[in-house]
Amino acid sequence: GAVVSQHPSWVICKSGTSVKIECRSLDFQATTMFWYRQFPKQSLMLMATSNEGSKATYEQGVEKDKFLINHASLTLSTLTVTSAHPEDSSFYICSARVWDRGSDTQYFGPGTRLTVL
Amino acid sequence: EDQVTQSPEALRLQEGESSSLNCSYTVSGLRGLFWYRQDPGKGPEFLFTLYSAGEEKEKERLKATLTKKESFLHITAPKPEDSATYLCAVLARGAQKLVFGQGTRLTINP
Repeated sequence: GAVVSQHPSWVICKSGTSVKIECRSLDFQATTMFWYRQFPKQSLMLMATSNEGSKATYEQGVEKDKFLINHASLTLSTLTVTSAHPEDSSFYICSARVWDRGSDTQYFGPGTRLTVL
Repeated sequence: EDQVTQSPEALRLQEGESSSLNCSYTVSGLRGLFWYRQDPGKGPEFLFTLYSAGEEKEKERLKATLTKKESFLHITAPKPEDSATYLCAVLARGAQKLVFGQGTRLTINP
């Protein structure tokens, strides 16, 4: 299957600072990537859909000025958490959509654990 | 509105004890139904995509089936390493985003 990487795998930062998380598709090009957030023992919550070369589409209730998403190339999307606060602490996961010969699948990255002190 | 409901929420089995996980869905035209496995602290790992009723797919001890209203993930003679949360999701025709169920936490005791 297709491989999606995330960096960093975990990060600890002070309240008020900004943190950038990278999501890369390693062996394929992804025109569409997604960013999710997951709280302990809960399912995935979609934050935004990112299409290469265009502005991200945010889900209702997600602050676009706080969670900046950039999808500048077919293999890289970034999520920047601006002015992070303790309530932003969570597990952030990206995924990339692969559409190949009638098969339509999303592959997920390993996730990034963000802790804001 | 597209919806996915998984049952049971949690399931404990003894090693070798076969069982099934259920995923019921309502969707405005199904593009695909997906099964993922997620281990604690990791991203979901893709298992299967099913596209039409009657379709079945297998991988090792897992077999996924699909009807017009639900999907089953059958696990045969499970081992402790099969312990994980199994997630079901649907993609509607014309949509980009998956709609996930809440998952089933599976524990296999040795």
